[in-house]
Amino acid sequence: DAGVIQSPRHEVTEMGQEVTLRCKPISGHDYLFWYRQTMMRGLELLIYFNNNVPIDDSGMPEDRFSAKMPNASFSTLKIQPSEPRDSAVYFCASMVANSGNTIYFGEGSWLTVV
Amino acid sequence: AQSVTQLGSHVSVSEGALVLLRCNYSSSVPPYLFWYVQYPNQGLQLLLKYTSAATLVKGINGFEAEFKKSETSFHLTKPSAHMSDAAEYFCAASDSWGKLQFGAGTQVVVTP
Repeated sequence: DAGVIQSPRHEVTEMGQEVTLRCKPISGHDYLFWYRQTMMRGLELLIYFNNNVPIDDSGMPEDRFSAKMPNASFSTLKIQPSEPRDSAVYFCASMVANSGNTIYFGEGSWLTVV
Repeated sequence: AQSVTQLGSHVSVSEGALVLLRCNYSSSVPPYLFWYVQYPNQGLQLLLKYTSAATLVKGINGFEAEFKKSETSFHLTKPSAHMSDAAEYFCAASDSWGKLQFGAGTQVVVTP
């Protein structure tokens, strides 16, 4: 079975540019999560969706960040404009209800903003 | 909300020696507890999880963890370390749907 698929795997962009990260959750999973990993702050939950509806976005750092889930098989995390402090690994993860809260992670999108 | 504390940001073990990674959580209600492993430049892989079925949980790659409610702990062990165990290990807890709270991680180095 395919796992959580993220793209791009690596991106280097200039400060001020728009960045769009993409995620395809595991088929049949009804929860989708975006996490960010940095050396300073570790793993942070940015936002999560249930049945395509954003449930908790309290972890989104500021208005420059936005996330959407237009359908059950696709989500995006957008940063506009990007800043060097946004450099991090962004993980998408998914889960199916009644699975004992087992969350499956993608391989991550490694973002560098210069 | 859950908080998770991992004692020791770095652990060095000899090949063949016991691996012990410590994790404590804070909660008045037994949570779901997890250990994840992250190899360099990769995502997080689930090692094992506790969901109240049994206090001793066995996972992949020979790892196991024991839930101790009285100590609010969920320490990870492996009897004999292998070079391939070198990675970063994260303890995580949740008491609601999917909102995992991660510990800071423990980097494991295995020496020959």
